[in-house]
Amino acid sequence: DVKVTQSSRYLVKRTGEKVFLECVQDMDHENMFWYRQDPGLGLRLIYFSYDVKMKEKGDIPEGYSVSREKKERFSLILESASTNQTSMYLCASGLYSYEQYFGPGTRLTVT
Amino acid sequence: ELKVEQNPLFLSMQEGKNYTIYCNYSTTSDRLYWYRQDPGKSLESLFVLLSNGAVKQEGRLMASLDTKARLSTLHITAAVHDLSATYFCAGMEYGNKLVFGAGTILRVKS
Repeated sequence: DVKVTQSSRYLVKRTGEKVFLECVQDMDHENMFWYRQDPGLGLRLIYFSYDVKMKEKGDIPEGYSVSREKKERFSLILESASTNQTSMYLCASGLYSYEQYFGPGTRLTVT
Repeated sequence: ELKVEQNPLFLSMQEGKNYTIYCNYSTTSDRLYWYRQDPGKSLESLFVLLSNGAVKQEGRLMASLDTKARLSTLHITAAVHDLSATYFCAGMEYGNKLVFGAGTILRVKS
């Protein structure tokens, strides 16, 4: 079974803090993705990566950056957290352009 | 740019009834995905539809794809309480990017 894990299920941070969200997959997938999920908006793609050290912007990259130093790990970074970044963050991975497998999600609250 | 619209966004139905969730998309999409999400949980893949006329069924759920109409449907037959969840459809854009609909919250009442 594919396993995608995220470092925290719940996180509370203050405005202006630097926040790291970690995602790890154990299936040697090349593709990894970060989404945020907000009520009524579905999932929106923040960044994705096709390979180590490779990243591409998704639909809403502003205020975020990513890092992929190892194939199995894809990190989402909020350089200076703001209240409008309060959301559910979902990581996904996939081997082909066929299917994405999702992690359990991190619910981030920025106060 | 691919846009995906689902309707309805909220569906309350009685057990035993049938209903359909619609997913319209704006431009060509090679494939169409359906996911289920339970409250507080992540997304679980239900169906991947790869070609025009594709139909897939799993239990009380059946998904179909009409690429000419740019429409996918998720049909629920004889709903049961366990089907209560949020259902998302998603199309695939160039670069293997998934574009999601807003989701349909389904509540099945006993």
